[in-house]
Amino acid sequence: KAGVTQTPRYLIKTRGQQVTLSCSPISGHRSVSWYQQTPGQGLQFLFEYFSETQRNKGNFPGRFSGRQFSNSRSEMNVSTLELGDSALYLCASNKGRGGPRIMNTEAFFGQGTRLTVV
Amino acid sequence: QQPVQSPQAVILREGEDAVINCSSSKALYSVHWYRQKHGEAPVFLMILLKGGEQKGHDKISASFNEKKQQSSLYLTASQLSYSGTYFCGTESGSGNTGKLIFGQGTTLQVKP
Repeated sequence: KAGVTQTPRYLIKTRGQQVTLSCSPISGHRSVSWYQQTPGQGLQFLFEYFSETQRNKGNFPGRFSGRQFSNSRSEMNVSTLELGDSALYLCASNKGRGGPRIMNTEAFFGQGTRLTVV
Repeated sequence: QQPVQSPQAVILREGEDAVINCSSSKALYSVHWYRQKHGEAPVFLMILLKGGEQKGHDKISASFNEKKQQSSLYLTASQLSYSGTYFCGTESGSGNTGKLIFGQGTTLQVKP
């Protein structure tokens, strides 16, 4: 069973540019979450998508956006890059839940995209 | 609000035991535990739900005190492969949010 695939693995961008990162979840998983990981701030939640709808958003500026397609693949976009956006961006997929009584399930992380802004 | 993990770091010899704690100021629906090795993705270890259900790793156990909003991860008879950074991720409210708030991590080093 293929795992979570993130592309590209590494990226170098210049301040002011924009970037799009991609995440293909495990087959059958409908929920995709995005996290930013930095040495200083740790793992921080960006947003989560389920069946093409954003269900939750973290405390990040509007420059960070995302979307999910009908095949559950997700993309996140960062516009007007700043030096502080340099980080490892991780996506995690899980089966998702259609209602409050369905048991929570574990999330599987991709290898991440290492973004460096210069 | 970010959960607080303790200790921040621990060094063990093979075969020794360790406990990692995770404490939140918010009422929790679930606690998830992950281990991340340097340069790799976090790997799922354990999930504990409000109400007592849990699912996870054969050789690692955990507890969840709902009243205190605390969880502990128990690593017994540690092996070299246990080295890495352990994160707890918490979900609040009624669950089903897909949103985990992670602690700052606990670095575990197991020496021969």
